[in-house]
Amino acid sequence: DSGVTQTPKHLITATGQRVTLRCSPRSGDLSVYWYQQSLDQGLQFLIHYYNGEERAKGNILERFSAQQFPDLHSELNLSSLELGDSALYFCASEPGQAAEAFFGQGTRLTVV
Amino acid sequence: EDQVTQSPEALRLQEGESSSLNCSYTVSGLRGLFWYRQDPGKGPEFLFTLYSAGEEKEKERLKATLTKKESFLHITAPKPEDSATYLCAVQGWGDYKLSFGAGTTVTVRA
Repeated sequence: DSGVTQTPKHLITATGQRVTLRCSPRSGDLSVYWYQQSLDQGLQFLIHYYNGEERAKGNILERFSAQQFPDLHSELNLSSLELGDSALYFCASEPGQAAEAFFGQGTRLTVV
Repeated sequence: EDQVTQSPEALRLQEGESSSLNCSYTVSGLRGLFWYRQDPGKGPEFLFTLYSAGEEKEKERLKATLTKKESFLHITAPKPEDSATYLCAVQGWGDYKLSFGAGTTVTVRA
């Protein structure tokens, strides 16, 4: 158990819908990262938050947004969902010193 | 942009048959190189961080080494429970994100 908790584990939704994925980082970790893993793309960096502030953006679509709350948990919002958004979404956390990141078990999103 | 290439894509080993996985990288200033293990449908599990050329780290049957252009993950006398996808990632000095390779899927037969 990495100490990073993601909910829900599985999500099935229709095209055009909006979903929210939640991540609770390890106790004391200030940095949260979101990654997308699809069969043909591998693990792709989406966005990084540190202590509530956005620090870096990767290949994140405009339909996707995220935030980190004062209690340090983070949410990834995906809207106007398309079939191609089906993937595993992982959250990772680390203390904020560019140390090794620990990953949650992921949310498997299926868009039908 | 940081690039990571892992080879081979897949590796089938007999139990006890040692082998090595390769990770080649290009990054504008390496902050760290990371190895993770991932089981199907699970999140990546942290194995090692290497920071400078010549560095080596070991954990049970796994040993990771780093040069200026590549890293190797050596699996010594593997067991079936070592079957997994092994991911390599680099972190540059520009930001803290990890850039991952596509992984090497290792299958160890008893």
